This record gives sequence, C-alpha cells and structure tokens, in this order.
Amino acid sequence: AQSVAQPEDQVNVAEGNPLTVKCTYSVSGNPYLFWYVQYPNRGLQFLLKYITGDNLVKGSYGFEAEFNKSQTSFHLKKPSALVSDSALYFCAVRVPSSASKIIFGSGTRLSIRP
Amino acid sequence: NAGVTQTPKFRVLKTGQSMTLLCAQDMNHEYMYWYRQDPGMGLRLIHYSVGEGTTAKGEVPDGYNVSRLKKQNFLLGLESAAPSQTSVYFCASSYSGTGRSYEQYFGPGTRLTVT
Repeated sequence: AQSVAQPEDQVNVAEGNPLTVKCTYSVSGNPYLFWYVQYPNRGLQFLLKYITGDNLVKGSYGFEAEFNKSQTSFHLKKPSALVSDSALYFCAVRVPSSASKIIFGSGTRLSIRP
Repeated sequence: NAGVTQTPKFRVLKTGQSMTLLCAQDMNHEYMYWYRQDPGMGLRLIHYSVGEGTTAKGEVPDGYNVSRLKKQNFLLGLESAAPSQTSVYFCASSYSGTGRSYEQYFGPGTRLTVT
C-alpha cells in the first residue's frame, strides 16, 4: 500500500538550533515529494519539492530537504530555527502518472522555544 | 491575483441540512481538489477534477458531490449533513501537463460544524 509517514507528532527545538522534521514514504515508481507548512487557521503553503536531480533541495524561509532514495526518506531541515517557524508541517508524495494519487502525511507540529 | 478563495469561511449546519462550498481560483489551473482535515489524520482527498466538466472520487467521497461547470470554480455539496462531516475543508488547485511538478495552492479553508 502507498503511504507517507511522519513518525513524530511534535518536534521541539530551541531557537537558533538546527531542526529536522522526518518523512518516509512508500510508493511505486519515482515519486514527486513535497513539504507544506500550515500556520494556525490558514491553508497549507508550499515550501519545497523534489522531482529529480540534486538530492538536496532548497525552499522558502531557509528550509531545505534531502531526498534519500535508498532509505525512502525526505526529511525537512533548517540550520537555525526561528520562533516564527513554529507551525504544522506536512510531507506529501505524488505518483507522477496520477492526478489523484497525492498522499499526505499526518503532520508534525514544530515548536520553537525562545 | 487572489489565488485560491473559499466561501464561506465558517458554517454551522443541523443534521440533515444541505449546503454548498465554493472554491474559486484565478491561476488558470487545470486541476482542482477538495480535502478535509481532521485532527491527527492529515488531509484526505474527497473529490478532484482534472478539467472543466470532469470530476472524480477521491479517498473519502461518500456524502459529498461536486461540480466543475467553469474552469475557475469547483463546488462541493453536502446533500444531507451528518455530524461526521464536521471538519475543516480545503480546496486546492495545481497546474498539469508535461514539465509541471503539480505543487498545490490551497485556499484558506472552511470550518464546518454539523450539530
């Protein structure tokens, strides 16, 4: 079965420290991978994507993610966390051949303490 | 450029009532989607459309109907609301076609409560 897992419901990090939000996936073929962020009472905003090419992709607000095919992971990272990064983060995977095969993880709440 | 807009933002229904949620996008996107978001469950796809006049079922379509009469609009209908349909509903749109990566643009959401 195709799935996306975000193993941590919550990640707590001190401001200025590096952060990692984990995502693993299980889909057939070569997936497109995405990270979205959701601030309170708002819709999801696109952060970054991996389609092909360099395994390290850079996105908005200083975030980056590393695609690891052998471990089927796409972890979100940032070298130095800000309090304003506190939000709900979703990993998503899309099967390229299908408009409907978009699978979202359950979300990870990132909390950055001052 | 307003992006994706949703109407209404909030609604309270009694069991058995009907309503329609409207989604509009001004980016000329071919694909449009309706999701529901429930605590701890991420987003689940209700219905989607790959173009004007076409719709298809997603993961959780029961109790909902949709229509896409115009490319820019995607309507989600609840014919007989049930408490299980209490949720936050998000509309999204994306490009399609060769070379596109299909990242989605989301509306602000509609918070629906069914009592």
